[in-house]
Amino acid sequence: SQQGEEDPQALSIQEGENATMNCSYKTSINNLQWYRQNSGRGLVHLILIRSNEREKHSGRLRVTLDTSKKSSSLLITASRAADTASYFCATVYDTGANSKLTFGKGITLSVRP
Amino acid sequence: KAGVTQTPRYLIKTRGQQVTLSCSPISGHRSVSWYQQTPGQGLQFLFEYFSETQRNKGNFPGRFSGRQFSNSRSEMNVSTLELGDSALYLCASSFKQGTTGANVLTFGAGSRLTVL
Repeated sequence: SQQGEEDPQALSIQEGENATMNCSYKTSINNLQWYRQNSGRGLVHLILIRSNEREKHSGRLRVTLDTSKKSSSLLITASRAADTASYFCATVYDTGANSKLTFGKGITLSVRP
Repeated sequence: KAGVTQTPRYLIKTRGQQVTLSCSPISGHRSVSWYQQTPGQGLQFLFEYFSETQRNKGNFPGRFSGRQFSNSRSEMNVSTLELGDSALYLCASSFKQGTTGANVLTFGAGSRLTVL
């Protein structure tokens, strides 16, 4: 399966701490994206990193990509209770007509006030 | 700009029945993808439509079908429902980011199907 795998499966931290989530995948990718899902709702796109990039920032989010290890990490700094959600990495193996996203099973993040 | 709208939000069916779910994408988005989400399997790709044509298909049985209309609205249909079809069905429309050329998905809130 080309599905990415996130770890840990669940993470519980105190408000103000940093949260680090990891994603591994199996084959070469074009880009990797992170999404957030609040309970029972649709997913929201957070950040995208292309295969030729190593690090990107967006607000409190920092994503890294190591194509040699086929892995990515998402760091949320200074976490807030509102960051409580499930986080998914999605890999894209091609562009154009075959650019579907393949999602991992997600990480459940709980941020305690 | 209105988001992706899915209807109905919740529905209950019994085994053997069929169901049709609807998705209205963001105006201007021509690609619509469908995913099934369950606690055990996570997000599984069903299919993608672009300009009324199925462009990609996941590994689901033929009971799962879809279509897209000329206004980009999409429907998916599941026939002969089974208990295992109980899931959150998510629709997403997509556009290509100008800077990266990559497809980014905007999801609807989902249709939660319960099969009894």
